[in-house]
Amino acid sequence: DAGVIQSPRHEVTEMGQEVTLRCKPISGHDYLFWYRQTMMRGLELLIYFNNNVPIDDSGMPEDRFSAKMPNASFSTLKIQPSEPRDSAVYFCASSLISVGQGAPDTQYFGPGTRLTVL
Amino acid sequence: LAKTTQPISMDSYEGQEVNITCSHNNIATNDYITWYQQFPSQGPRFIIQGYKTKVTNEVASLFIPADRKSSTLSLPRVSLSDTAVYYCLVGDGNNNDMRFGAGTRLTVKP
Repeated sequence: DAGVIQSPRHEVTEMGQEVTLRCKPISGHDYLFWYRQTMMRGLELLIYFNNNVPIDDSGMPEDRFSAKMPNASFSTLKIQPSEPRDSAVYFCASSLISVGQGAPDTQYFGPGTRLTVL
Repeated sequence: LAKTTQPISMDSYEGQEVNITCSHNNIATNDYITWYQQFPSQGPRFIIQGYKTKVTNEVASLFIPADRKSSTLSLPRVSLSDTAVYYCLVGDGNNNDMRFGAGTRLTVKP
């Protein structure tokens, strides 16, 4: 498997523009996570899905952020309008639930999208 | 979710054994301890996971005392390529939203 795929790898945009980040999870994985990483705040969980359904979006910073997972192989994170403080690396991760195992499932991270908002 | 505390940074030299300790005083009965490694410009990747006593794989060892209030990640004979941030997480299989803390930035020097 190619692993988690994210696009674009780098995005530079101007304040006020709409930004869409894309993620293709590992085939067969049940969970998909979106994270944001900055020097100041570290790695923050924004939202995660189980079988395409959003389970917890409490980490989404504000209404300018939205995430969708229309099918098992694709998810988007949209920022509209974007602001300079949104500049960060955004990671997507996926995991496969291990029923009855008791331990947390291993999360497989993509390479990230480095977003710069000018 | 149990909060974890680990050193912000550590320095080591090539060939040495590195031990990174993580405190998780409020760990729950069903919680496991998981460590991830993150290289610069990459996403985190799973290293090792354990519940109690000792776990060893080809990359590292994880030591967990009987009270489980702390754990130690041991990296044998580190090399320059082990320079990375190491995260300790605590959680159970019923809750997949494990939270990453600040991690420990390990710098291996020649």
